[in-house]
Amino acid sequence: QVQLKESGPVLVQASETLSLTCTVSGFSLTNYGVIWVRQPPGKGLEWMGIIWRNGNTDYNSALKSRLSINRDTSKSQVFLKMNSLQTDDTAIYYCTRSYTYWGQGVMVTVSS
Amino acid sequence: DVVLTQTPSILSATIGQSVSISCRSSQSLLDSDGNTYLYWFLQRPGQSPQRLIYLVSNLGSGVPNRFSGSGSGTDFTLKISGVEAEDLGVYYCMQATHAPPWTFGGGTKLELK
Repeated sequence: QVQLKESGPVLVQASETLSLTCTVSGFSLTNYGVIWVRQPPGKGLEWMGIIWRNGNTDYNSALKSRLSINRDTSKSQVFLKMNSLQTDDTAIYYCTRSYTYWGQGVMVTVSS
Repeated sequence: DVVLTQTPSILSATIGQSVSISCRSSQSLLDSDGNTYLYWFLQRPGQSPQRLIYLVSNLGSGVPNRFSGSGSGTDFTLKISGVEAEDLGVYYCMQATHAPPWTFGGGTKLELK
């Protein structure tokens, strides 16, 4: 069955770079895109970016200068990297396929 | 970017009560292909979002038929006909017509009265 699972550090220092991995199973990254969505504590959902099945990417314009999404199709993994973190980047980070299948999310706290 | 405005932000209901949530878009969500890419999600406490409805009115797999979606253009509604305890949480609408970026409404929290 389709599964996605986020992994990465739960605590990051301000000004540093966040690196998260979304490991998928039950489908191929060459057939489906993967999206990253985040949610600050007690707040709503924010679309961050997508890596399409052909490997192209699109990013939220508010994050574009700090964000990159890549993948390793052989390992069924999608990578999110975001630099120059600030405390308001504290959030749960989700990866999703087509907004139908979601990972459980990973809570990332940015400490000053 | 398309802005989606949900009302109310908080909705108090009793079990069995029917309720509605509104989602208004800053632009028409009717796509040139004839589809309207408006979705509804439920996020229960401590859980990931779950897709309830796609393309305005189509129920997702396993979603109870007490949920229904309607609307067109810029105005959309999610209705729950007989709230059950498992329906409590935060509801979000999302548009994909003018994507990227995909945008979400601010959310409507459904709580017990």
